[in-house]
Amino acid sequence: DAGITQSPRHKVTETGTPVTLRCHQTENHRYMYWYRQDPGHGLRLIHYSYGVKDTDKGEVSDGYSVSRSKTEDFLLTLESATSSQTSVYFCAISETGTDGGQPQHFGDGTRLSIL
Amino acid sequence: DQQVKQNSPSLSVQEGRISILNCDYTNSMFDYFLWYKKYPAEGPTFLISISSIKDKNEDGRFTVFLNKSAKHLSLHIVPSQPGDSAVYFCAASVLYSGTASKLTFGTGTRLQVTL
Repeated sequence: DAGITQSPRHKVTETGTPVTLRCHQTENHRYMYWYRQDPGHGLRLIHYSYGVKDTDKGEVSDGYSVSRSKTEDFLLTLESATSSQTSVYFCAISETGTDGGQPQHFGDGTRLSIL
Repeated sequence: DQQVKQNSPSLSVQEGRISILNCDYTNSMFDYFLWYKKYPAEGPTFLISISSIKDKNEDGRFTVFLNKSAKHLSLHIVPSQPGDSAVYFCAASVLYSGTASKLTFGTGTRLQVTL
């Protein structure tokens, strides 16, 4: 199993509060990704990182920001959480980006509920 | 605009028989396709992949077929086992598309293998 740890695994918070989710990897992979999973939508890419301090937007990036100050950690922040951001969030890592077709490996997810 | 479609939300198959899961895509730029399996409360696990230069890839009980002209791929599981009961996601990406290989997922098909 890929060494990916997501924390917290579950969180309940209120609308308007800031929330930070953490993804920690022990594989020293360059690429890291944040997805959200919602019924009827599958998994959708929020943001990704292709190196320390190198990040870019995905398909559903509005309302989210990310940071990567170390290879092993990729943080996802909801600056002011809204009920529409209630979801299950998955972090993924991959060794290569576009040049090897290597699969992404996923963490076990964070279930976030915003009341 | 769902670029990767899994039109069957669920499928029930008897143990020992063949399971066939289908996936259609609309973006002709996709050239790398993957299948992931997901159990409840866990992250998706990579199963098998295929690049657009092939039309078939096998790994044990799992075979993926790609029909580029029809923009269709399928996953065959033979023989099906109770442990195969899970949600299966089809995903697609464009290699050499920029800084990272971003996956576009389908909505998933829930497979139940009955005794």
